[in-house]
Amino acid sequence: GQNIDQPTEMTATEGAIVQINCTYQTSGFNGLFWYQQHAGEAPTFLSYNVLDGLEEKGRFSSFLSRSKGYSYLLLKELQMKDSASYLCAVTDSNYQLIWGAGTKLIIKP
Amino acid sequence: ETGVTQTPRHLVMGMTNKKSLKCEQHLGHNAMYWYKQSAKKPLELMFVYSLEERVENNSVPSRFSPECPNSSHLFLHLHTLQPEDSALYLCASSQGGQGASGANVLTFGAGSRLTVL
Repeated sequence: GQNIDQPTEMTATEGAIVQINCTYQTSGFNGLFWYQQHAGEAPTFLSYNVLDGLEEKGRFSSFLSRSKGYSYLLLKELQMKDSASYLCAVTDSNYQLIWGAGTKLIIKP
Repeated sequence: ETGVTQTPRHLVMGMTNKKSLKCEQHLGHNAMYWYKQSAKKPLELMFVYSLEERVENNSVPSRFSPECPNSSHLFLHLHTLQPEDSALYLCASSQGGQGASGANVLTFGAGSRLTVL
């Protein structure tokens, strides 16, 4: 079967750095997405990786290793507004999106 | 209004009621989706419409009935639901269907929180 694993919950301190991991086992690979979802709000697109390496967008970076079936989302200089759930999703060989259950990130002052 | 708008935001219904969820997108996208989001579970794809034709139905019970009258509007008709159907129902849209590209970014609505008593 196809599976995406990510931690259920993480806690970090304001101003610090946090890394949210995502591992996947899918039938084929056509890209990996990260979405952010604040409580009671719509998930919003953060990043897309299809090649190995690090993609940086301001305070957020996303890394992909296709050989290891692994990605992480790195958040720097954490702010209280970064408290949200972070969803990892992979596009398989049929271009179907396979979703993880999401990681709830709690930021403490 | 821009983006993807869902109404109602909250809905409480009995198991014998009939209700509908509405989704509207003003992005010019040609594919629309219904997802079910339950606590601590992955998003479950329910229905996909591309160019107003249903292209995917992931074995969803018949008590859920989608309708896509045009590329901007999507409905989910609900009838004789069960308590386990209580969840957040998310609508999304994209430029190009899910099967078209690996880089298909979804734009989501804020969801309709459904409670079935």
